[in-house]
Amino acid sequence: ETGVTQTPRHLVMGMTNKKSLKCEQHLGHNAMYWYKQSAKKPLELMFVYSLEERVENNSVPSRFSPECPNSSHLFLHLHTLQPEDSALYLCASSQERSPAATIYFGEGSWLTVV
Amino acid sequence: AQSVTQLGSHVSVSEGALVLLRCNYSSSVPPYLFWYVQYPNQGLQLLLKYTSAATLVKGINGFEAEFKKSETSFHLTKPSAHMSDAAEYFCAVSPMDTGRRALTFGSGTRLQVQP
Repeated sequence: ETGVTQTPRHLVMGMTNKKSLKCEQHLGHNAMYWYKQSAKKPLELMFVYSLEERVENNSVPSRFSPECPNSSHLFLHLHTLQPEDSALYLCASSQERSPAATIYFGEGSWLTVV
Repeated sequence: AQSVTQLGSHVSVSEGALVLLRCNYSSSVPPYLFWYVQYPNQGLQLLLKYTSAATLVKGINGFEAEFKKSETSFHLTKPSAHMSDAAEYFCAVSPMDTGRRALTFGSGTRLQVQP
């Protein structure tokens, strides 16, 4: 059983829809991350939360809106997405935000924008 | 700035043969280095990491990697491939000298194991 759980595993949405991806970590970590994995690009870091505060936002379009209500939960709210946003979205967590800390990943949410 | 280059997007080996996946990094300061594996329809799982304690790092599933500063490399090896090793492997780098998390991933190498 993974320590980082993502739902839904698969999501198909239209460009005018609003949906959310959910992530929950059961590892007692205090840092959480959203990554985007596309077919033709390396894994891209989108957002970092440390102690529920957003500490990194890597030039992600505003149609992606993260939310971290507590240290165990992380959401990615999606609205008016484009077909090129179709990708695997990976949530991850780590004990701390140091460069040496191991990052633990969820199984991902496959998003298809039609 | 830091970057990671994985030479070969696809590698195919026979079962029982040596596995060698190449990773070179570019970083202005000595980095931490990681290898992650991604099995089909799953997230990434840490295989091993280098944090300056020892240059030869042993990981899970019989994999190991050696940090070579002079070659700026951190190649992943396994003496004998198993069918279950078929997956995508990612090398990643994070600088030691900053407090922020800045893990940069390579583009990945897909390992195929032939029976």
